[in-house]
Amino acid sequence: GIQVEQSPPDLILQEGANSTLRCNFSDSVNNLQWFHQNPWGQLINLFYIPSGTKQNGRLSATTVATERYSLLYISSSQTTDSGVYFCAVATHAGKSTFGDGTTLTVKP
Amino acid sequence: KAGVTQTPRYLIKTRGQQVTLSCSPISGHRSVSWYQQTPGQGLQFLFEYFSETQRNKGNFPGRFSGRQFSNSRSEMNVSTLELGDSALYLCASSRDGYEQYFGPGTRLTVT
Repeated sequence: GIQVEQSPPDLILQEGANSTLRCNFSDSVNNLQWFHQNPWGQLINLFYIPSGTKQNGRLSATTVATERYSLLYISSSQTTDSGVYFCAVATHAGKSTFGDGTTLTVKP
Repeated sequence: KAGVTQTPRYLIKTRGQQVTLSCSPISGHRSVSWYQQTPGQGLQFLFEYFSETQRNKGNFPGRFSGRQFSNSRSEMNVSTLELGDSALYLCASSRDGYEQYFGPGTRLTVT
């Protein structure tokens, strides 16, 4: 099956800093999503981005499907950005494969 | 628009028992996928239902089963519970199976 690798596994930042999270995948995909898991376990949708670039406030994402990677950018980090960020890809509708996540800690 | 709901939110069961979890998708969504999240294995795909038919299946034993009703609500059943089944069970709703929206999860503890 498809392999998904996220890096770095852990990231510690000071409030106000910028960060880049990476997701590499081993095969062509029809779907790619970025999620933020809150402390209660719910996965919050950040981006649906099988290709191209999108921006939403301080967050933006880029997927280069031909090179099989996606990047999530977080600018001006806030303590509320802390948590685990997951990349999920799909080659078949309804069946996503998740990476192991990046745990982000933003210190005040 | 109401989000994805899952019931119950927390559950404690004993080894050998069975459990049924429920997921109500976003109105108009016909795909419901189920995932298991554990500290050791991460997020793993269980199965997906689309218009009452199982369309995709992950690599879980037959003790894990599911179904979907005509109103798109889905249930997941785990029989003969084992300690290793303790996990957060998440369901995802989607119009077509691609852009998925997750519910808050059911946290199952097996003692």
